[in-house]
Amino acid sequence: SQQGEEDPQALSIQEGENATMNCSYKTSINNLQWYRQNSGRGLVHLILIRSNEREKHSGRLRVTLDTSKKSSSLLITASRAADTASYFCATEIFQGAQKLVFGQGTRLTINP
Amino acid sequence: DGGITQSPKYLFRKEGQNVTLSCEQNLNHDAMYWYRQDPGQGLRLIYYSQIVNDFQKGDIAEGYSVSREKKESFPLSVTSAQKNPTAFYLCASSQSTGGYAAFFGQGTRLTVV
Repeated sequence: SQQGEEDPQALSIQEGENATMNCSYKTSINNLQWYRQNSGRGLVHLILIRSNEREKHSGRLRVTLDTSKKSSSLLITASRAADTASYFCATEIFQGAQKLVFGQGTRLTINP
Repeated sequence: DGGITQSPKYLFRKEGQNVTLSCEQNLNHDAMYWYRQDPGQGLRLIYYSQIVNDFQKGDIAEGYSVSREKKESFPLSVTSAQKNPTAFYLCASSQSTGGYAAFFGQGTRLTVV
């Protein structure tokens, strides 16, 4: 069962524009994480936001979390061609033990 | 260098054959995970382990098996019971559960021939 769902599934923008990706989840969480995956590679952790935080920044990344709506967004400002990748949100849910569950991802293409 | 290593990078399996994918980490992490990724799709959890000698089934455990005899190792066996094993397999580890980043290996691409 997928906990998170990203929207849109695919996004194509021009270099220099901002990219926004959204993630919705179903159950209560303690934290939410965002990851990046280049084609055919492993995932790389970008940022973690805890349930008592509303916004977090890391370089050109801005993540927001709205626990009342069970949603999060990832904003990449001033996009670059190198930002082309798939982006996934992930949450921890408890089923016998804590497990890390990922959404379906957003495929982001930055056009030069 | 600290990290998580998966091997082999590419693996070919004949129909009915069992294969084992290796995952080793030297990060001293307690938690380890196996995911399956199909083309253009998200990650689906196969098995996970929070401590040595303990593991739990994920969402798609049928046809797979794991062991966690050592903290640094979490091998995944793909058995003949897995009818559609062709996929990209990713192993990950994290220091613990409860808000720690997961570190991923570079993946193993398994193809049935």
